[in-house]
Amino acid sequence: AQSVTQLDSHVSVSEGTPVLLRCNYSSSYSPSLFWYVQHPNKGLQLLLKYTSAATLVKGINGFEAEFKKSETSFHLTKPSAHMSDAAEYFCVVASDNTDKLIFGTGTRLQVFP
Amino acid sequence: EAQVTQNPRYLITVTGKKLTVTCSQNMNHEYMSWYRQDPGLGLRQIYYSMNVEVTDKGDVPEGYKVSRKEKRNFPLILESPSPNQTSLYFCASSLMGFDNQPQHFGDGTRLSIL
Repeated sequence: AQSVTQLDSHVSVSEGTPVLLRCNYSSSYSPSLFWYVQHPNKGLQLLLKYTSAATLVKGINGFEAEFKKSETSFHLTKPSAHMSDAAEYFCVVASDNTDKLIFGTGTRLQVFP
Repeated sequence: EAQVTQNPRYLITVTGKKLTVTCSQNMNHEYMSWYRQDPGLGLRQIYYSMNVEVTDKGDVPEGYKVSRKEKRNFPLILESPSPNQTSLYFCASSLMGFDNQPQHFGDGTRLSIL
C-alpha cells in the first residue's frame, strides 16, 4: 500500500535562509509524487511533480525537489526563503492501482523577518 | 479564467438538516473529486468521478453522496449531517484522472455542524 510521511509538522526559518521540507514515501511501483502549497483560506496549488523523468524537479517560486529512490524520499527545498513562502505544504503520492491521491499530513512553514 | 468554484464558502448548520455543497469547473475536466481536510490528518478523499455518471468512493465516503450528471458539476450532499462532518472541504478537478495531471482546487468550504 502506498503512504507518504512528512517528517516535520512545523518548520521555521528566517527570511533569506534555505528551506528544507522532508517527505518520505512508500510505493510498490515507480511513483508519481507531487508537492502542493496551501496559503491561508485558499485551495491547494501545485508546486511541482515527479513522474519518472528527471530526478531533480524544478517547480514554481524557486522550489525544487529531488527524487531519491534509494532513500524513498522526495524532499522540497528552496535556497532562500521569502516571507510569501509562509504556508502549509503537502507531499502527495499517486496510488499505484487506483485513481487516488494520498496526502501527507502537511508541514507548516513559518518565515521570520 | 480557469477555476474551480465552490459554494458556499462557509456554512453553519444543525445536525440532520440536509445540505449540498456545489462544485463547478470551467476547464472541461473529466476527473473531479472531493476532499475533507482536518488538522493533523491532511486531506482525505471522500468521492471521486472519472467522468459523467461515473463515481467511486474514496477513503472516507460514509455520510456523503455525490452525483455527476454534467461534466462541469460535482455536488457533495450530506443527507443527514452530523458534528463529526465539521471540516474544511475541497473540490478538485483535473483533465484526465490524476496521474501526471495537476489537480485544480477550489478555495474550500468550511462546514460547521452543530
